[in-house]
Amino acid sequence: DQQVKQNSPSLSVQEGRISILNCDYTNSMFDYFLWYKKYPAEGPTFLISISSIKDKNEDGRFTVFLNKSAKHLSLHIVPSQPGDSAVYFCAASATGGGNKLTFGTGTQLKVEL
Amino acid sequence: NAGVMQNPRHLVRRRGQEARLRCSPMKGHSHVYWYRQLPEEGLKFMVYLQKENIIDESGMPKERFSAEFPKEGPSILRIQQVVRGDSAAYFCASSLSSGTPHPYKGSTDTQYFGPGTRLTVL
Repeated sequence: DQQVKQNSPSLSVQEGRISILNCDYTNSMFDYFLWYKKYPAEGPTFLISISSIKDKNEDGRFTVFLNKSAKHLSLHIVPSQPGDSAVYFCAASATGGGNKLTFGTGTQLKVEL
Repeated sequence: NAGVMQNPRHLVRRRGQEARLRCSPMKGHSHVYWYRQLPEEGLKFMVYLQKENIIDESGMPKERFSAEFPKEGPSILRIQQVVRGDSAAYFCASSLSSGTPHPYKGSTDTQYFGPGTRLTVL
């Protein structure tokens, strides 16, 4: 039962262009969403988050959009840089869920020169 | 300011042996979470602990797995009588606090992850 889905296992983008990573969820109790970035042989690194009371949160080159009616969120990276090449995980939690995170399966982003 | 530390980074065990994975949270953090990542999958929650207490172990297999976070020392994830299916990357995360409904970047709720322990069962 995959409650958080990232349907694109990989994405390739040219340096300087926009990267858009997508995530869908099924559990309507989720009210807080996060994106983590992961390099090989390292742990996930927190990037940006958004709560269900907002539809957009921006931090530098990273913007997360939330569409609650569609149960969909996306991460926009602009401009994309080669150092952004990594696996990106979408995660969600529910109030009262004890801060437990439910992760998607990840999208491998490759930013090409 | 040291991050979350995990050791060992790599652990090889034969079927039937015991595996002990250690996690030292970030300084001042009293909330610890363990996640497991199987090949080609996302991270799956296993257990959430505060000092000396297990808060939520809903993701941990009922048999052979146990976790503790003593008053002094690191959190330990223990797997007894390992089987090949236990081969995975085990990640520990810590946070300063928990339960705030709408945390934002840098808030005390954010979970910070360690580098993981890669367990291989032969």
